[in-house]
Amino acid sequence: DAGITQSPRYKITETGRQVTLMCHQTWSHSYMFWYRQDLGHGLRLIYYSAAADITDKGEVPDGYVVSRSKTENFPLTLESATRSQTSVYFCASAMGISTEAFFGQGTRLTVV
Amino acid sequence: GEDVEQSLFLSVREGDSSVINCTYTDSSSTYLYWYKQEPGAGLQLLTYIFSNMDMKQDQRLTVLLNKKDKHLSLRIADTQTGDSAIYFCAGDTNQAGTALIFGKGTTLSVSS
Repeated sequence: DAGITQSPRYKITETGRQVTLMCHQTWSHSYMFWYRQDLGHGLRLIYYSAAADITDKGEVPDGYVVSRSKTENFPLTLESATRSQTSVYFCASAMGISTEAFFGQGTRLTVV
Repeated sequence: GEDVEQSLFLSVREGDSSVINCTYTDSSSTYLYWYKQEPGAGLQLLTYIFSNMDMKQDQRLTVLLNKKDKHLSLRIADTQTGDSAIYFCAGDTNQAGTALIFGKGTTLSVSS
């Protein structure tokens, strides 16, 4: 299917476990982003990528790791999940600088 | 870095106009955006304005930009119950490639 898809849509994990959230886009957009959405904080940028093999930190990168070996995929890994990482995670992609960003449906992650 | 502030809640009656306000700090933003998030969904671009414009109209939507005061507003004419959603103001920033920096979002509630 065309577009940007995130998986899983819902995930419950235990404190200390590693968990990976997947993001896949079919437009060959250069830019991809991970945001987390929390009440009272809006959306905060975790990591972004300008192209394959190029990633950089956003506002709240601690505790997260990303990779971009292929243009279409941008997985986000929580190396050792903490309760403070309970959130809704959104992946987005964009063709270029100052262009529209397209968002996935989100992954609701609960860390217990 | 860019900081974007919005009022958190707005309640209007169906048929009235809604005005959602936003202030931002980074005057180098090329574009300023309004995104809409419906319950359980990702964000969708509603409209945007180029930084050297003062106003943009798109059907029921009017965006006003006051560069001097760094103030952005979104006016929705003839507000409908289907307009109930969270509205995010966002600006692009050179500090994060083309990543968007979002406000906390304004929850618009429309009553019939």
